[in-house]
Amino acid sequence: LAKTTQPISMDSYEGQEVNITCSHNNIATNDYITWYQQFPSQGPRFIIQGYKTKVTNEVASLFIPADRKSSTLSLPRVSLSDTAVYYCLVGSYNQGGKLIFGQGTELSVKP
Amino acid sequence: GAGVSQSPSNKVTEKGKDVELRCDPISGHTALYWYRQRLGQGLEFLIYFQGNSAPDKSGLPSDRFSAERTGESVSTLTIQRTQQEDSAVYLCASSLGATVKGEKLFFGSGTQLSVL
Repeated sequence: LAKTTQPISMDSYEGQEVNITCSHNNIATNDYITWYQQFPSQGPRFIIQGYKTKVTNEVASLFIPADRKSSTLSLPRVSLSDTAVYYCLVGSYNQGGKLIFGQGTELSVKP
Repeated sequence: GAGVSQSPSNKVTEKGKDVELRCDPISGHTALYWYRQRLGQGLEFLIYFQGNSAPDKSGLPSDRFSAERTGESVSTLTIQRTQQEDSAVYLCASSLGATVKGEKLFFGSGTQLSVL
C-alpha cells in the first residue's frame, strides 16, 4: 500500500496560487492519485484525479512527474472558501480496495 | 439516491451500550467504505465492501466493531460495549467499484458518535 506524505499545514492569501505536494515513493503501477477536499463537519469531496502528466479541471490542476513518486495539487487564485483540509489518496481502485488516506494538509486562506 | 446517506447524524450513548450506524450508498455503487475520524485527525480506514463481501477486516480497531452489508446496498457498522475512545465521526463512502481505472469516492456527511 502506497503511503503518502503531505505538509501538515499551509497558509496563503486570497488571489494567490497554492501548490500542495504529496510524496508517494512506493506508488504501484496500477495506483491512481486522487485529491479530496474536506470542510468542517462534512465528508471529503473529490477534487481531481490523475495517473500521469497533467490533469486540469474547473477547480484545480494536478501535476504528476514521470516517476510518479510525487504529485502536486495546484489551486489557482484561492479564495477564503478554499480554506479546508486537502487529502492526497493513492491507491488501486480496481474492484474497490483498502484505500488509506494520509493526514492531509490544512490550508488556511487569509484576506 | 442522490448521494450517500448516513443515519443518525448524531448519536449520544453511554459507555457500555451498543450502537448501530447506518449507511445508504449511491444506487448502483458496488464498493462501500467505512472510515473513522477523530476530532482534528485524518481519516482512519476501518473496512470496505465489494458487493456484500468484506475482503479485509484488519482495519477494524477491535472485536467490538463489526460491519455488514446486505443486498449490495445498505451497510451497518455496529460497535458493541462502546468506550469513550470510540467517540468520533464515522464516515461512509461508496464508489462504482467496477472499473480498473481510478474511481471517485462519494462520502456521506457522517455520524457524530459521542460516548459519555
